[in-house]
Amino acid sequence: AQSVTQPDIHITVSEGASLELRCNYSYGATPYLFWYVQSPGQGLQLLLKYFSGDTLVQGIKGFEAEFKRSQSSFNLRKPSVHWSDAAEYFCAVGLSGNAGNMLTFGGGTRLMVKP
Amino acid sequence: DAGITQSPRHKVTETGTPVTLRCHQTENHRYMYWYRQDPGHGLRLIHYSYGVKDTDKGEVSDGYSVSRSKTEDFLLTLESATSSQTSVYFCAISEPQGAYEQYFGPGTRLTVT
Repeated sequence: AQSVTQPDIHITVSEGASLELRCNYSYGATPYLFWYVQSPGQGLQLLLKYFSGDTLVQGIKGFEAEFKRSQSSFNLRKPSVHWSDAAEYFCAVGLSGNAGNMLTFGGGTRLMVKP
Repeated sequence: DAGITQSPRHKVTETGTPVTLRCHQTENHRYMYWYRQDPGHGLRLIHYSYGVKDTDKGEVSDGYSVSRSKTEDFLLTLESATSSQTSVYFCAISEPQGAYEQYFGPGTRLTVT
């Protein structure tokens, strides 16, 4: 069965420190990969996506993610975290050609930022 | 939120009553989705639509039905609400080309007492 795992439920970092959020997937083929961010009481906002080409993708708000096929991973990174980055982050995966463009979401990682 | 509205934004209802949630889009996207979000589970797909009057079940469809009579509207109905359906419900839209990204509405918080 297809699955997406975000191993860290909570992460706390100091403001200005670097950040890496992990995402691992289990699929039979190269998937489409996404990171979304959700602020409290809000919907999900797309941060970045990978579907082909360069395995290092840049997104909004200074985030980037790297697709590593050999590790089935798509980790999200930011070199210097700001207090406004405190939110919940979701990794999502879809398969090319699947009817309905369906995505499978990980359980989420809640990021807290210390001043 | 990419031209997607959900109504109501908050609702409290009693067990056994019917509830309908509405998703409205102004983007003319072909695909629409209903998810529920519960702590520790991320988002789970309830139903989706790939065109007017074309719908299919998702991962957690039991107890839910949907309808789509117009491109812009996708309705989610709980025929007889139960406490296990207390959740935050999100609507999303997508187009059948490109990288399949979905865009989300602001959500509806439903409490079943």
